[in-house]
Amino acid sequence: EVQLVQSAAEVQKPGATVRISCHVSGYTFTDYYIHWVQQAPGKGLQWVGLVDPEDDETIYGENFRGRVTIIADTLTDTAYMELSSLRPDDTAVYYCARGRLGFWGQGTLVTVSS
Amino acid sequence: QTVVTQEPSLTVSPGQTVTLTCTCSTGAVTSGNYPNWLQQKPGLAPRALIYSTQRRHSWTPARFSGSLIGGKATLTLSGVQPEDEAEYYCLLYSGGVWVFGGGTTLTV
Repeated sequence: EVQLVQSAAEVQKPGATVRISCHVSGYTFTDYYIHWVQQAPGKGLQWVGLVDPEDDETIYGENFRGRVTIIADTLTDTAYMELSSLRPDDTAVYYCARGRLGFWGQGTLVTVSS
Repeated sequence: QTVVTQEPSLTVSPGQTVTLTCTCSTGAVTSGNYPNWLQQKPGLAPRALIYSTQRRHSWTPARFSGSLIGGKATLTLSGVQPEDEAEYYCLLYSGGVWVFGGGTTLTV
């Protein structure tokens, strides 16, 4: 059974950096990209970026470029998304999803507040 | 920056057919944009329905179909069911990145 399990909710202060993990199981990690998607409260979906675990190639969405880093650890079958210089409007649920977006993590709520 | 546009909302009666559209600010949507369609219900993670324009996932009901019509990506629901009431998002690959549309609220 394919599963993507994300780390727990985070509360961060403005200016801080948050790191969210996404541990996958039930398939070969390097066979599919991992996407990250943001959803602010009551808002739509925003594509954050992706990583190809096979070669660590990354692509970042224009709204996040310069503040986001996505990596894949093939030793632990875990992808990470790090978002820096946090602002209150980064408050959102962040999802990881497997390539073709067929399987999703449960989401991680990041709250940015002073 | 690429902007992907969807109808903000649509209303349909059970059993009817409805078509949702997805347009791209850079020009006509083609198969090279690999259109995806996702459904999201309140409080839940999105669920992928269609990828690469028209390919259904194994769990996607046959009443959902994707296509390209008139330079737009389309999602057609034939014989709408009450449980199809949800938010629908399209996702396009454009300019080397993926971009979501703003979503369509479908009311049944």
